[in-house]
Amino acid sequence: GQNIDQPTEMTATEGAIVQINCTYQTSGFNGLFWYQQHAGEAPTFLSYNVLDGLEEKGRFSSFLSRSKGYSYLLLKELQMKDSASYLCAVRGPRDYKLSFGAGTTVTVRA
Amino acid sequence: GAGVSQSPSNKVTEKGKDVELRCDPISGHTALYWYRQSLGQGLEFLIYFQGNSAPDKSGLPSDRFSAERTGGSVSTLTIQRTQQEDSAVYLCASSLQGGAGNTIYFGEGSWLTVV
Repeated sequence: GQNIDQPTEMTATEGAIVQINCTYQTSGFNGLFWYQQHAGEAPTFLSYNVLDGLEEKGRFSSFLSRSKGYSYLLLKELQMKDSASYLCAVRGPRDYKLSFGAGTTVTVRA
Repeated sequence: GAGVSQSPSNKVTEKGKDVELRCDPISGHTALYWYRQSLGQGLEFLIYFQGNSAPDKSGLPSDRFSAERTGGSVSTLTIQRTQQEDSAVYLCASSLQGGAGNTIYFGEGSWLTVV
C-alpha cells in the first residue's frame, strides 16, 4: 500500500515563498503528482515528477527524490489566490491508480 | 466536453435511500476513476475503468456501492441504502489512457449529504 504524509496547514505572507513537503512509503512507484484544490472546487493538476530532480513551471516548482521517498512543492511570489489545499499523490505499482495525502491547506495573508 | 462533468453537483438524501451519481469524462479519455473525499480527509480511490477491461473495484467500501460505465464513456456510481457515513464529495476523473505519465483530470464533484 501507500503511506503519504504532508503537513496539515501552512501560513505565509503575500509575496513570500512556501515549501510544502511530502513523504511517501510505497510498494511501487510510477510518479508523483501535485494538485491544487480550492474550497468547493475540483482538484486541478499542477505538476508531475517521475525522475529525480526539480521541475519548474512558472511560480510553482516540484522536486522529487525517489531514494528518499520525498517531494516538495515550492510556491514563489505568493498571491492571495494561492490560498488553497495542495494535494500530494503517488502513482503506485498499478500505474493507473493515484493514492493521495490528506492535503496541506495554505493560507496566504496580506 | 471541455472537462469532466458530474451531476448532480449537490444531493441531500435520507438515510436508507438509493442515490445515483453521474460522470461524463473528457471526450476521448479511455480511463475513468471515481474517488471519494470526506471532510478533512485525502481522496480515497473507489473504482477504475479502462476501455473494455474489467474494472478495478478494489476501493469500493462495501457491496452497497457499485458503478458501471456504458459505451466506454458515461459512468454511474450507485450507492444503495445510503448511510450517514456515505456523506462526502464523490469525485470523478478521467485520463487519456490509464498508464504512467497520463495526467488525471477531475470533475467538480458531487456533494452527497445523507440525513
